[in-house]
Amino acid sequence: GQSLEQPSEVTAVEGAIVQINCTYQTSGFYGLSWYQQHDGGAPTFLSYNALDGLEETGRFSSFLSRSDSYGYLLLQELQMKDSASYFCAVRDGSGGYNKLIFGAGTRLAVHP
Amino acid sequence: SAVISQKPSRDICQRGTSLTIQCQVDSQVTMMFWYRQQPGQSLTLIATANQGSEATYESGFVIDKFPISRPNLTFSTLTVSNMSPEDSSIYLCSVLPDTQYFGPGTRLTVL
Repeated sequence: GQSLEQPSEVTAVEGAIVQINCTYQTSGFYGLSWYQQHDGGAPTFLSYNALDGLEETGRFSSFLSRSDSYGYLLLQELQMKDSASYFCAVRDGSGGYNKLIFGAGTRLAVHP
Repeated sequence: SAVISQKPSRDICQRGTSLTIQCQVDSQVTMMFWYRQQPGQSLTLIATANQGSEATYESGFVIDKFPISRPNLTFSTLTVSNMSPEDSSIYLCSVLPDTQYFGPGTRLTVL
């Protein structure tokens, strides 16, 4: 089976930096994705790491360590609009099917 | 990229009835998925629906309750059968061309 762990809630102020950690267990790991979901909205893709290291896209960066089964999403220069739920998700190929399995999500609240 | 539309966007249904949700993609995709998101919860994969083969269901989901059709590479339906209030959720269609995209969801309330 698969399991992912991430903090349930994070609070930060505008302009700050926040890191959301994710640890995972899966038998058929292909890569780690991050999604953002605003209340009432659909999940939107932020990043995907298949190899170890840091991927940077604007204010958002994502890191993966396959040996540690660990990754994180780093959000810089936080803005009020970043208040949302953030999900880590493993791309899993066990059982012969390529599928995306989600963590429970981290609710980020950005305050002035 | 892929643009996904779902119908209906929301519905209120009586227990014991069934609802079919449609998912349309603007390009041909091999892999299509159906997820459920219960209020305040994460996304749970219901099944993988690849064109030309039977859908593959995740543990806890069965074909009699959630029959799926995948007649071509741009369209799929998910039926929620014999509904109960516990089926009240958002149902999301998702596709994987290069990365995984999600439709806007169907918000279902069962009374």
